[in-house]
Amino acid sequence: QKEVEQNSGPLSVPEGAIASLNCTYSDRGSQSFFWYRQYSGKSPELIMSIYSNGDKEDGRFTAQLNKASQYVSLLIRDSQPSDSATYLCAVNVYGNTDKLIFGTGTRLQVFP
Amino acid sequence: DAGVTQSPTHLIKTRGQQVTLRCSPKSGHDTVSWYQQALGQGPQFIFQYYEEEERQRGNFPDRFSGHQFPNYSSELNVNALLLGDSALYLCASSRTSGEETQYFGPGTRLLVL
Repeated sequence: QKEVEQNSGPLSVPEGAIASLNCTYSDRGSQSFFWYRQYSGKSPELIMSIYSNGDKEDGRFTAQLNKASQYVSLLIRDSQPSDSATYLCAVNVYGNTDKLIFGTGTRLQVFP
Repeated sequence: DAGVTQSPTHLIKTRGQQVTLRCSPKSGHDTVSWYQQALGQGPQFIFQYYEEEERQRGNFPDRFSGHQFPNYSSELNVNALLLGDSALYLCASSRTSGEETQYFGPGTRLLVL
């Protein structure tokens, strides 16, 4: 079983719709969770971090964490073509400055 | 506020050669982590440096080695290059105390022929 799993996609949504990206992880001791966006040929860019169960909102982005289900998600509201990228879920098991374990990423395509 | 910088941006080497990649962390950060990202995959952790010591290491052979300097910058060295070492090499910096978020540099794309 992979430590962090994501559907590779592509996930195609129309402009203005809500895009829902999902991630599951295997280590119940995981403490910190991150979503990075990666455009083709570029490096990962941090979008959101979440540490506690529940929702965390930042602009059009909402991260949701459910530690009991070992599940973390990212919702993108009012999706724009510029949101088209690969979204990487990363988990930090032991907390502060521990290595990040990444999923393979979900490719999101937002069409006009 | 300067972000994470890496050099060079691209590199072409042949099998058996050695390569050195460089990273300068974000201002105020003291920890540097290196990741390898193969095409279509998520980044894989290579190792992490703090206080000039290797603090953690991922599942990479000894051909991969590193160093951290007193100014917190870091180098990644790869010896005896293999075709499979072709990848995007990412450096991420963070602060040991306080904020733990890792911020990535632009990466070095290495092609081994």
